[in-house]
Amino acid sequence: QVQLQESGPGLVKPSETLSLTCAVSGYSISSGYYWGWIRQPPGKGLEWIGSIYHSGSTYYNPSLKSRVTISVDTSKNQFSLKLSSVTAADTAVYYCARDRWSRGYYFDYWGQGTLVTVSS
Amino acid sequence: QSALTQPASVSGSPGQSITISCTGTSSDVGGYNYVSWYQQHPGKAPKLMIYDVSNRPSGVSNRFSGSKSGNTASLTISGLQAEDEADYYCSSYTSSSRVFGGGTKLTVL
Repeated sequence: QVQLQESGPGLVKPSETLSLTCAVSGYSISSGYYWGWIRQPPGKGLEWIGSIYHSGSTYYNPSLKSRVTISVDTSKNQFSLKLSSVTAADTAVYYCARDRWSRGYYFDYWGQGTLVTVSS
Repeated sequence: QSALTQPASVSGSPGQSITISCTGTSSDVGGYNYVSWYQQHPGKAPKLMIYDVSNRPSGVSNRFSGSKSGNTASLTISGLQAEDEADYYCSSYTSSSRVFGGGTKLTVL
């Protein structure tokens, strides 16, 4: 069974960089599929941030592209998110998920999510 | 890219059927057969319910079905049950990107 677990600071100061990691178990990232990040501000809807393949190929949401970097570490079977110059609007629950990019374009396994608050 | 349009809320009684719509454009919903639906209970992660417009993942009840006509996709839940009460989100592929709907709160009366 594929399992994903997000980790990282729950509080980030405005203008700083948000950094999260998603550890994958039950499946080797190197075996294929894309891996993505999705966020959900409190009381609001879902927003796709971006996705990465084990080779490092990435796709980003155009509205966040200038501030987002997603990377992968196949040796640790994990992938990471960096979001720079954060503001209060970036406060959200951040989810990582397996992304069936080009095979239907849907997210079939999700992490439990981690709340990141941007505040001084 | 703009979010897909969903009704804010729908409701139904146990045993009834309800349909949630998801309206986009020819650049997303109408342009690809890559619409997916997710169920989210409070405080929980989203769960995939439908992919590729009308396919159900293994383990999802056949009471859930999906369809599409033009720029509008729909999720139908038949034989409503109390545990179906949740938020539902649609999503579509669009030109090397993804877009979600604003979400619909389903209340089982």
